[in-house]
Amino acid sequence: EVQLVESGGGLVKPGGSLRLSCAASGFTFSNYNMNWVRQAPGKGLEWVSSISSSSSYIYYADSVEGRFTISRDNAKNSLYLQMNSLRAEDTAVYYCTRGYSSSYFDYWGQGTLVTVSS
Amino acid sequence: QSVLTQPPSVSAAPGQKVTISCSGSSSNIGNNYVSWYQHLPGTAPKLLIYDNNKRPSGIPDRFSGSKSGTSATLGITGLQTGDEADYYCGTWDSSLSALVFGGGTKLTVL
Repeated sequence: EVQLVESGGGLVKPGGSLRLSCAASGFTFSNYNMNWVRQAPGKGLEWVSSISSSSSYIYYADSVEGRFTISRDNAKNSLYLQMNSLRAEDTAVYYCTRGYSSSYFDYWGQGTLVTVSS
Repeated sequence: QSVLTQPPSVSAAPGQKVTISCSGSSSNIGNNYVSWYQHLPGTAPKLLIYDNNKRPSGIPDRFSGSKSGTSATLGITGLQTGDEADYYCGTWDSSLSALVFGGGTKLTVL
């Protein structure tokens, strides 16, 4: 059974940093692109970042470019999102997702809540 | 303002059919595959349709997808109260080098 379990969310002050993790199991992690998608309170889904299976290709939404860094450790079956210079508008539930090259996400984690507030 | 345009809400009675539209441009829907997701509050979004019209294993054939030009449509037949959720379309935008979602459509089953 495919499982994606996010962790690392919490309350952080504006300008602060947080590192999200996603532990994957039930599939060959190193064969798949992985992604982060978020949903702010009362808003729709927003794609954040994608990383290819071997980390050769990385993409970011304009809203997080230069502040967030996506990475993965295929030996540990883990995906990460380092978030720096956090803003109030980064407050959201962050989902880890498994992806395909035609840009769809077939499995989603339950999400981890990030709250940026003073 | 989302790159892909969806109606904010749709509604229909149980047992009826509903369609949800997703409008884009040549840089996204026009030249890339479209996917659709169902999102119930407090749960993880679920993939309903991928590659315009394919259903993952376990998704009933009450759900269908189609694409024409720069627009895509999700169809749901035999509506059930359990179908009440938010629905999102998504695709890659080649000009933005970004994955884009529609703003979401709230389905109410009256």
